[in-house]
Amino acid sequence: DAKTTQPNSMESNEEEPVHLPCNHSTISGTDYIHWYRQLPSQGPEYVIHGLTSNVNNRMASLAIAEDRKSSTLILHRATLRDAAVYYCGTSYGKLTFGQGTILTVHP
Amino acid sequence: DGGITQSPKYLFRKEGQNVTLSCEQNLNHDAMYWYRQDPGQGLRLIYYSQIVNDFQKGDIAEGYSVSREKKESFPLTVTSAQKNPTAFYLCASSIVGTGYEAFFGQGTRLTVV
Repeated sequence: DAKTTQPNSMESNEEEPVHLPCNHSTISGTDYIHWYRQLPSQGPEYVIHGLTSNVNNRMASLAIAEDRKSSTLILHRATLRDAAVYYCGTSYGKLTFGQGTILTVHP
Repeated sequence: DGGITQSPKYLFRKEGQNVTLSCEQNLNHDAMYWYRQDPGQGLRLIYYSQIVNDFQKGDIAEGYSVSREKKESFPLTVTSAQKNPTAFYLCASSIVGTGYEAFFGQGTRLTVV
């Protein structure tokens, strides 16, 4: 199983870019990298996922290191609604997560 | 509406009693998962299933049991053997395979007194 670690918390100002890091040092070649975010007392919602190449969608971008041992979730312009706990995870048959990063966005 | 439903949202039980948490999905997903969430500890995998009548232990399966008799349903039983059952429990489902997003329910907060 890939062990996944994330910083406990990060802060950002509104309308600035945010780079959320994740280490998955024991990831295997077939594990996908997933990102989800969670608001208080709600279930997590999908943000983005990828395998090897960088990925973009309407919510965020995912930058994956060449050796795949780390990845970065990029929110291009943070808004107050982006304040949440962000979970990085890996999947190969089962989906497991790190401890999550609490993102605080200041107005 | 397609989605994944957990019920009830809040559940209270006395210590020593078994309790079953419901998880139903109408997304036609083969894979289903149960996670436990405690403050500051992220999402920890309890059990997962990729097909009816088959399931595997996750990282913290002790004190829990599951069944998968129907594709749509994956109930979790918290047994009296679980030492610290009070937590927020989340169910998820996805298409089988590694490259598919998971859909989560809204969770059940279990309090054992």
